[in-house]
Amino acid sequence: GAVVSQHPSRVICKSGTSVKIECRSLDFQATTMFWYRQFPKQSLMLMATSNEGSKATYEQGVEKDKFLINHASLTLSTLTVTSAHPEDSSFYICSARATGVSYEQYFGPGTRLTVT
Amino acid sequence: GNSVTQMEGPVTLSEEAFLTINCTYTATGYPSLFWYVQYPGEGLQLLLKATKADDKGSNKGFEATYRKETTSFHLEKGSVQVSDSAVYFCALSVYTGGFKTIFGAGTRLFVKA
Repeated sequence: GAVVSQHPSRVICKSGTSVKIECRSLDFQATTMFWYRQFPKQSLMLMATSNEGSKATYEQGVEKDKFLINHASLTLSTLTVTSAHPEDSSFYICSARATGVSYEQYFGPGTRLTVT
Repeated sequence: GNSVTQMEGPVTLSEEAFLTINCTYTATGYPSLFWYVQYPGEGLQLLLKATKADDKGSNKGFEATYRKETTSFHLEKGSVQVSDSAVYFCALSVYTGGFKTIFGAGTRLFVKA
């Protein structure tokens, strides 16, 4: 089946530093990738949608200069949290949609970010 | 607009009990409907899906039927196991100028032995 990986699975960084999270589709090409944020015991909040080779579309209220998204190839998207602060601590989940008309999304295992 | 409403948890059941988690939706267009499961510390896994009215999705003993007349997609399982303890998310996907998936708030299920 379709597999999406994320790296790292956990990261701890100091306030003011930047962190990059990678999302890869391992056995399929993903024209569209999504980045979600999940707070403890809450649902997923869509942050942005990225299409390969074009700029990401951010949801209302998400700072695009703080959460930089790059979808450089059909199998890789990255999320960079710039100048991280403790309130950015969260569980970040990516998902990928394969080329074609299926609405199915495949989710990565998530990245736990802790900013100290 | 598009939205998903699912029953609040947590839901606590004994092993072998019957499970129902209610989910209703509002959508513009013709959504596909999904149930995802999230085990502690992990990402989401697709549990089952239905892409059109009256379709029944099923997997691992779980079932849900796409009911257009009641705009519902309730999740059921006849006999739950301790290993079913997780958070369950109902979701819909629509294409309205862009592809988007909307998630419900999630329902936490605890199954005790």
